[in-house]
Amino acid sequence: DQQVKQNSPSLSVQEGRISILNCDYTNSMFDYFLWYKKYPAEGPTFLISISSIKDKNEDGRFTVFLNKSAKHLSLHIVPSQPGDSAVYFCAASAKSGNTGKLIFGQGTTLQVKP
Amino acid sequence: GAVVSQHPSRVICKSGTSVKIECRSLDFQATTMFWYRQFPKKSLMLMATSNEGSKATYEQGVEKDKFLINHASLTLSTLTVTSAHPEDSSFYICSAGLTGWATEAFFGQGTRLTVV
Repeated sequence: DQQVKQNSPSLSVQEGRISILNCDYTNSMFDYFLWYKKYPAEGPTFLISISSIKDKNEDGRFTVFLNKSAKHLSLHIVPSQPGDSAVYFCAASAKSGNTGKLIFGQGTTLQVKP
Repeated sequence: GAVVSQHPSRVICKSGTSVKIECRSLDFQATTMFWYRQFPKKSLMLMATSNEGSKATYEQGVEKDKFLINHASLTLSTLTVTSAHPEDSSFYICSAGLTGWATEAFFGQGTRLTVV
């Protein structure tokens, strides 16, 4: 049972345009969501997070939107840069639970073309 | 952010042998570390939560006798894949943080294990 789903395995955008990565979840107990960036043969790097009490969090070029009623979140990157090309994972956690265990989506490979 | 180092970054071993992977917190003490496994084109799956000085907590479906975890100090956790088989080939990643929360942990660079 995939509790966190990233239905688009890949996304290609032009440099300077907006990249929108989507993520859906099924468990209504999740109250904290994170996005990670991962290069091949490396561990994930934290990008941005959002608590369920908010619907938007912004950090520089990265903005995460949360729609709790739809159980959907998205990561917007604008403007996209070639260095953003990587695999992006969304992850969810029920922080009220023990250790805040992370459940990851399958990842979306973003390619930003110069 | 805090630095988590994993060693080795890649290892090739023969079927039937055991392989040890180390996860170190370099500039902080971690009472809790997390071990994940990533299959090709799949998400990262939590295997176990490693607790310093006590037994690890394994996720459902993970064989604790197959994947031995030892968290002997506040800066080191090890994952030993015992009697490795080709199906154990995978990318193994650890994470650790100051607070013990998975959401606030930093990831190591991962270990690519290939069993031949």
